[in-house]
Amino acid sequence: NAGVTQTPKFQVLKTGQSMTLQCAQDMNHEYMSWYRQDPGMGLRLIHYSVGAGITDQGEVPNGYNVSRSTTEDFPLRLLSAAPSQTSVYFCASSYLLNTEAFFGQGTRLTVV
Amino acid sequence: AQSVTQLGSHVSVSEGALVLLRCNYSSSVPPYLFWYVQYPNQGLQLLLKYTSAATLVKGINGFEAEFKKSETSFHLTKPSAHMSDAAEYFCAVSSGNTPLVFGKGTRLSVIA
Repeated sequence: NAGVTQTPKFQVLKTGQSMTLQCAQDMNHEYMSWYRQDPGMGLRLIHYSVGAGITDQGEVPNGYNVSRSTTEDFPLRLLSAAPSQTSVYFCASSYLLNTEAFFGQGTRLTVV
Repeated sequence: AQSVTQLGSHVSVSEGALVLLRCNYSSSVPPYLFWYVQYPNQGLQLLLKYTSAATLVKGINGFEAEFKKSETSFHLTKPSAHMSDAAEYFCAVSSGNTPLVFGKGTRLSVIA
């Protein structure tokens, strides 16, 4: 059972470039979320989805877009990368919002 | 809105000593509380969770936490630290209809 799979694991972007971080889960979970982790800041919620076709903003949504066309996939798009978006990004899924969240291994993104 | 405060960004204990990691939460509704652990260069995995059943919750690897409503606390303890416990620990809260809100994390070092 793969759980939550994130690709790529590492990425270097130039300022202004765009890219998509992929996230897929095979547990048939309705709820999926994207977090960014920065030193001393913990994990901060970027966007989340409560089901296919439904997304909402989290604490730090600016500069990111999401869509949820299927239950399995929840990609995160960086529209125009900035150095402030250098971070480790985690995707998570859960059966309900108050049940255990399963995390991917993370994507380490550097914007130069 | 929910929030979590973890007291101490870094805790250092000797091998065999008691581990105590502090977490205080704020929630306008009865909370769901979680402790996650993150080993270097990995995603987060669930240690334990409180979901309004028993106030003393036992988790994996010998960890446990006690929910104290009067103190709005959910501190994590382990009677005897092991070298393999060295990691970063995150406390998180959910209201049940919102995604997890994380604390800033506490890095645990275990000294031989």
